[in-house]
Amino acid sequence: GAVVSQHPSRVICKSGTSVKIECRSLDFQATTMFWYRQFPKKSLMLMATSNEGSKATYEQGVEKDKFLINHASLTLSTLTVTSAHPEDSSFYICSARDYPKQIFGQGTRLTVV
Amino acid sequence: KNEVEQSPQNLTAQEGEFITINCSYSVGISALHWLQQHPGGGIVSLFMLSSGKKKHGRLIATINIQEKHSSLHITASHPRDSAVYICAVTFSLNTDKLIFGTGTRLQVFP
Repeated sequence: GAVVSQHPSRVICKSGTSVKIECRSLDFQATTMFWYRQFPKKSLMLMATSNEGSKATYEQGVEKDKFLINHASLTLSTLTVTSAHPEDSSFYICSARDYPKQIFGQGTRLTVV
Repeated sequence: KNEVEQSPQNLTAQEGEFITINCSYSVGISALHWLQQHPGGGIVSLFMLSSGKKKHGRLIATINIQEKHSSLHITASHPRDSAVYICAVTFSLNTDKLIFGTGTRLQVFP
């Protein structure tokens, strides 16, 4: 079946550095991918919609300069957390639609120290 | 106020019990999804519904469009069913954007 591969699954970085998270659709093309953030014991919060070949659409309150999204091909979207701070520590997960289901990546647990 | 409400928030059960998780939403939707999130964080899509009922193995999902309500049932529950179950909806045919419920944490004990 359709798979969305997200990498890395865990990352620890120092404050002030940038971290890139990749989300790749395997065996299907994804013109649109979604990036979510999840705080402990909370539900997922949509951060942005990633569109292949065009600018991402960010949800209200999400800083586009901090969370850079690139969707350069039909199978790859990346989320870069720039100048990371401890409050950016969270679980980030992507998804893409392979009709009729949404296929989710495995998630990335980011810890900023 | 969340547009998608789930109940209960937490649920414990003995192995073999029949489980029901409920989801209510505030306005008309184009589709409703049931998702399963395991402790490691990975999310699996269980069902997508726009009407009626779907069954997969021991899982059954129903939706009542008029009442704006959906239920996820697990028959003959097993400890491996322990997970967070999340209801999510799309409000428009023009978008795949999901609005998530708060989740139901299920623990099934042997």
